[in-house]
Amino acid sequence: NAGVTQTPKFRVLKTGQSMTLLCAQDMNHEYMYWYRQDPGMGLRLIHYSVGEGTTAKGEVPDGYNVSRLKKQNFLLGLESAAPSQTSVYFCASSASNYLAYNEQFFGPGTRLTVL
Amino acid sequence: DQQVKQNSPSLSVQEGRISILNCDYTNSMFDYFLWYKKYPAEGPTFLISISSIKDKNEDGRFTVFLNKSAKHLSLHIVPSQPGDSAVYFCAASTTSGSARQLTFGSGTQLTVLP
Repeated sequence: NAGVTQTPKFRVLKTGQSMTLLCAQDMNHEYMYWYRQDPGMGLRLIHYSVGEGTTAKGEVPDGYNVSRLKKQNFLLGLESAAPSQTSVYFCASSASNYLAYNEQFFGPGTRLTVL
Repeated sequence: DQQVKQNSPSLSVQEGRISILNCDYTNSMFDYFLWYKKYPAEGPTFLISISSIKDKNEDGRFTVFLNKSAKHLSLHIVPSQPGDSAVYFCAASTTSGSARQLTFGSGTQLTVLP
């Protein structure tokens, strides 16, 4: 039982390049999330998904796209990377329960640098 | 505008003593509060939570206190151990759109000195 895994762990991009970050979870969770963490700031929600085939915008969605084609996977795409997207990206998942809080489980993070 | 604030970026405590980490919030719609712990090069892990209808929740060495009138919560760790050295994030939960969402504070680096 690996929990939440993220691929890759590190990546360096040049401005304008594109890439996809992969998140996978084996806990059969309905909800999945992408966050970014910047120095001196907390984790900020980029996009999230409440189930296979669904996605929604979070607090900082601009410059990112996401897809949830399979329940266990949540992909985060950068179509044209910018230096402002240099950050550590965390994926998380949680069981579905709209009426009460469900703990979010986090992956180990992907450190992305855009030159 | 930060809705969840952790005003102390760092805290150092002697082993065996109490660690108190503080968090303030502004949004009265938050109804669950959580603390996450993060070690370097790892993702955050859930530590303890509290519902807004309670004022205290205890789990072993960890206790979270909530003061709704002051919009303030705190995490007490007693006794503190060197393995507790990590970044602690306060987070608050509310429903937004089609799911519950978490709003995180900026974190407090706790260092427990042996």
